[in-house]
Amino acid sequence: GAGVSQTPSNKVTEKGKYVELRCDPISGHTALYWYRQSLGQGPEFLIYFQGTGAADDSGLPNDRFFAVRPEGSVSTLKIQRTERGDSAVYLCASSLSQGNTEAFFGQGTRLTVV
Amino acid sequence: AQTVTQSQPEMSVQEAETVTLSCTYDTSESDYYLFWYKQPPSRQMILVIRQEAYKQQNATENRFSVNFQKAAKSFSLKISDSQLGDAAMYFCAYRSAYGGATNKLIFGTGTLLAVQP
Repeated sequence: GAGVSQTPSNKVTEKGKYVELRCDPISGHTALYWYRQSLGQGPEFLIYFQGTGAADDSGLPNDRFFAVRPEGSVSTLKIQRTERGDSAVYLCASSLSQGNTEAFFGQGTRLTVV
Repeated sequence: AQTVTQSQPEMSVQEAETVTLSCTYDTSESDYYLFWYKQPPSRQMILVIRQEAYKQQNATENRFSVNFQKAAKSFSLKISDSQLGDAAMYFCAYRSAYGGATNKLIFGTGTLLAVQP
C-alpha cells in the first residue's frame, strides 16, 4: 500500500477481554515499530521487528502484551486480559531498514477499555 | 538513558507570524539524530524536519528550520509565516545513530500549537 495501514481505527473492549491490533507496513519495509501513546503524552516504544523477528521487545509493559510478524510484513499486537490502563493510541511505524532514519507512521488504533 | 523534554505544553501564534518551539534532550552519546514530528487530529505522525548531530549546519525545510545547539543539548523548531494548517501537536524526538541499536524514537511530551487567524 501507499502508506502504513492500521486496523481497526478505533476499538472499544471490555476489561478482561483479548484484543488484536493490526499493522500493515509499507511494502518492502523490513523494520517495524509499535509505540503506545497515552493521553497527553508522547509515543512510547513497545517493540521493534527486523524482518520476522522481534529484535527488541524491551518496551512491552508486561506479559499481557505480545506481538508477531510471521511473514515479515503484517504485524499484530496482542493484548490479553485488557485493563483500563491499556487505553491509549497504539501507533505503528515502518522504515526501509534498521539504519534508515525516516520512519513512516500509521494513523494508529485508539483502544478504549471500559 | 536518553530523555527528551518539551517545556511548553501549549503555544499560540498569529497567522503569518513566526513561532519557536523548544526542546532539550539528554544523552551521553555523541552521534544521534533529532526530529520534529507533527501530529494533527488524524493522529498520524508526520516528519517535519531532521537533524544529524554530526552536522553543525542547522536543517531547513521550507518554512521550518531548527536551531541545534549540541553543547547545550537544545533543538528548537522555528516556524515562519505560520499557516492555519500548521496547527497541531508537535513532538521532538531523539534516535541513536549507533549501529546495532534498536534505533527507536524517544519522544518528548509534545507542544500543542494553535494558529490564530
